[in-house]
Amino acid sequence: EVQLVESGGGLVQPGRSLRLSCAASGFMFDDFAMHWVRQAPGKGLEWVSGITWNSGTVGYADSVKGRFTISRDNAKNSLYLEMKSLRREDTALYYCVRGGQLLHNWFDPWGQGTLVNVSS
Amino acid sequence: EIVLTQSPATLSLSPGERATLSCGASQSVTTTYLAWYQQKPGLAPRLLIYDASRRATGIPDRFSGSGSGTDFTLTISRLEPEDFAVYYCQQYGISPFTFGGGTKVEIK
Repeated sequence: EVQLVESGGGLVQPGRSLRLSCAASGFMFDDFAMHWVRQAPGKGLEWVSGITWNSGTVGYADSVKGRFTISRDNAKNSLYLEMKSLRREDTALYYCVRGGQLLHNWFDPWGQGTLVNVSS
Repeated sequence: EIVLTQSPATLSLSPGERATLSCGASQSVTTTYLAWYQQKPGLAPRLLIYDASRRATGIPDRFSGSGSGTDFTLTISRLEPEDFAVYYCQQYGISPFTFGGGTKVEIK
């Protein structure tokens, strides 16, 4: 069974940093691109960032470009999101999502998410 | 970026009725790279349709997708009680991979 388990969320002050992790299992992690998608409380979905299987191509939403960094460790079957200079508007549930062999692919499956609350 | 506009925002229907959800794109979606997701309260989204019209594994055939270019539709032929949820469209042809604002299908 494919599983994606996020961790690292929590309460953080504006301007501070946080690192999210996603542990993947049940599939060949290094065969797939991976993504982060977020959902602010009561709002819709927003793609945050994606990375190809070999980290050769990464992409970011304009809202996080320059502040967030996506990375992966295929030996550990893990995906990461380093978030710096956090803003109140970054408050959201962050989902780890599997893509396809390319960055341009549908998202399936989704993890259960980890909540990031940016507040003073 | 490609902006996706979903309509209506809310659809009030009864079980057994047909639901038609629309997703319009601000520019043509590359090679029908469009997906539909279902989200129920407190749960992560679930993939329903990919490549505009292909059902994901395990999705009942009452769900169907159609469209190309800038106009896409998700149809639920006969609503079951478990289908009342929020539905999102997403394009994955051009980064950033944008989502529509969602359509809530609620019980009338």
